[in-house]
Amino acid sequence: QVQLQESGPGLVKPSETLSLTCTVPGDSISNYYWNWIRQPPGKGLEWIGYIYNSGITKYNPSLKSRATISLDTSKNQFSLKLSSVTAADTAVYYCARDVSRMVRGVFSPAYYFDYWGQGTLVSVSS
Amino acid sequence: QSVLTQPPSVSGAPGQRVTISCTGSSSNIGAGYDVYWYQHLRGTAPKLLISGNTNRPSGVPDRFSGSRSGTSASLTITGLQAEDEAAYYCQSYDNSLSGSVFGGGTQLTVL
Repeated sequence: QVQLQESGPGLVKPSETLSLTCTVPGDSISNYYWNWIRQPPGKGLEWIGYIYNSGITKYNPSLKSRATISLDTSKNQFSLKLSSVTAADTAVYYCARDVSRMVRGVFSPAYYFDYWGQGTLVSVSS
Repeated sequence: QSVLTQPPSVSGAPGQRVTISCTGSSSNIGAGYDVYWYQHLRGTAPKLLISGNTNRPSGVPDRFSGSRSGTSASLTITGLQAEDEAAYYCQSYDNSLSGSVFGGGTQLTVL
């Protein structure tokens, strides 16, 4: 069982940058694609983006380049920064591990998630 | 609006069978991409329930089953138990987004 843990401020002011970290137990962070997913109050889940060990990242275009995901293998952590936040960014933010697999000799995301954190609520308010 | 459409709620008595639908489009489920289902109890980590449309990960009871047809998929729970009361989300890949998409979630109430 892989238990991911999100951490970061629970309150961010409008126009500022939201910063969250996900801690990954053990030594598996180099071997998977790692994702951020969020759920605004009363709404469904929204995929934010992923990162892979080699620095490969991909983001949901709806975030209009405001999201940046980074990886710190020395700390077994990956992070999310979301700039210029508004009230619409208020959500429970989850980190999750992509199942990840070899596809034609290339280690690739499987685009589904076998382990998630419990989520952390981030409110955007002045 | 979520990319995949689910009913907001379903309910059933203990022992009964319920089905949760998930409707997509030609850029996701209709394009042949697999559908996944997650069970989510508030305050806990979502749990992968069904992978690859029909497959149950180890430890998931065989009361849970999934199917996919055309632009839709469904999750069926037979022999409902009180512990099944949770939110259920479908998920797939969307080639116009080039990423994962989710349904809005369905809250299951066991009467």
